[in-house]
Amino acid sequence: GIQVEQSPPDLILQEGANSTLRCNFSDSVNNLQWFHQNPWGQLINLFYIPSGTKQNGRLSATTVATERYSLLYISSSQTTDSGVYFCAVRSSGGSYIPTFGRGTSLIVHP
Amino acid sequence: GAVVSQHPSRVICKSGTSVKIECRSLDFQATTMFWYRQFPKQSLMLMATSNEGSKATYEQGVEKDKFLINHASLTLSTLTVTSAHPEDSSFYICSARDPHSRDGNTIYFGEGSWLTVV
Repeated sequence: GIQVEQSPPDLILQEGANSTLRCNFSDSVNNLQWFHQNPWGQLINLFYIPSGTKQNGRLSATTVATERYSLLYISSSQTTDSGVYFCAVRSSGGSYIPTFGRGTSLIVHP
Repeated sequence: GAVVSQHPSRVICKSGTSVKIECRSLDFQATTMFWYRQFPKQSLMLMATSNEGSKATYEQGVEKDKFLINHASLTLSTLTVTSAHPEDSSFYICSARDPHSRDGNTIYFGEGSWLTVV
């Protein structure tokens, strides 16, 4: 099946810093979503972005489907951004069930 | 936007008892729901796919008789952990596929349920 790799696995930032999280995938995809899991476990859908660029406040995401990667940008990070960021993809020729990466654990210090 | 609600958010049960977790899609009809288990500092592990009106499809290694899944309506799926043991303690998350989303396959997650078996 499709492989999903996220980097870095861990990230520690000072409040106000910017960061870029990466998601690489091994096959063509027709769906890619970024999620934020807060420290209480709740998963929040951030972006549905199989291709192109989207922005939502301090967050933006870009997926270059032809090169099989997606980036999540966090600008002016806040302590509430702490948590784990997952990307989940669905391969074009496979099941509609998404495959998750192992996540990037982000800690933002005040 | 689409919302998936999971209940209870936390539950403590005694070893040997059964516990039920509910997953509801609040503003869309979900023909397909998914149940995941997440161990500390790990990614989500798919346990089973629940299809409304039919039997759930379990992933390899997941005990069907231990983790009973019922998807009796288009807005409700339940996971029952039977004869729970301490090793069943975990974070369980459901998700639902919105068939009316842009590609028909956007997934929304519930808030998760922390199960502790003592």
